Amino acid sequence: DIQMTQSPSSLSASVGDRVTITCQASQVISTYLNWYQQTPGKAPKLLIYDTSILKTGVPSRFSGSGSRTDFTFTISSLQPEDIATYYCQQYDSLPYTFGQGTKLEIK
Amino acid sequence: QVHLVESGGGLVKPGGSLRLSCAASGFTFSDYYMSWIRQAPGKGLEWLSYVSGSGTTTFYADSVKGRFTISRDNAKNSLYLQMSSLGGDDAAVYYCARSGDVFDHWGLGTLVSVSS
Repeated sequence: DIQMTQSPSSLSASVGDRVTITCQASQVISTYLNWYQQTPGKAPKLLIYDTSILKTGVPSRFSGSGSRTDFTFTISSLQPEDIATYYCQQYDSLPYTFGQGTKLEIK
Repeated sequence: QVHLVESGGGLVKPGGSLRLSCAASGFTFSDYYMSWIRQAPGKGLEWLSYVSGSGTTTFYADSVKGRFTISRDNAKNSLYLQMSSLGGDDAAVYYCARSGDVFDHWGLGTLVSVSS
């Protein structure tokens, strides 16, 4: 199975900060990488698919980049409503696997 | 709009069985792969299984292979997960999600607890 490693596991930032989360795959996955947001008590929501494509309706402050094994998720200007746990997920090879999550908090 | 509603969760004894359902609406159900994904309390997400739009193709994670069976009834716009030989590691919120790889819509989940 492909292992997905996110860092950091948790992150505290201030409103307006630029926030970056990384995701590393244990083998090459091309650009088959998605990012999800999960707010407490809610189901995950897809934000970005195929590494960098924003799902319709997702604010443009969210972005993604990368390829092969190394990927980055960025919030350009943190908003209070962005407090959540973020997960990467590969869909290059079955079984599809998620990173362990990055919990984002407001400082 | 797309709407997914899971049901069937509850408390089950170790070794027991449970059948989860997911009612879908707002899209042409038979056009899409569907998946089950779970989340143990305080833990991350684990993809479990998918089924093709026709129901003929399925795939399972090793953790549930041989114990769980995914199926669908396109006439009823419904997805199912038959779970057997349940253990403590299976306690989780179970989500159904649209698609087999890019999970663009999720249900709210149904909680499965395993305890004697």
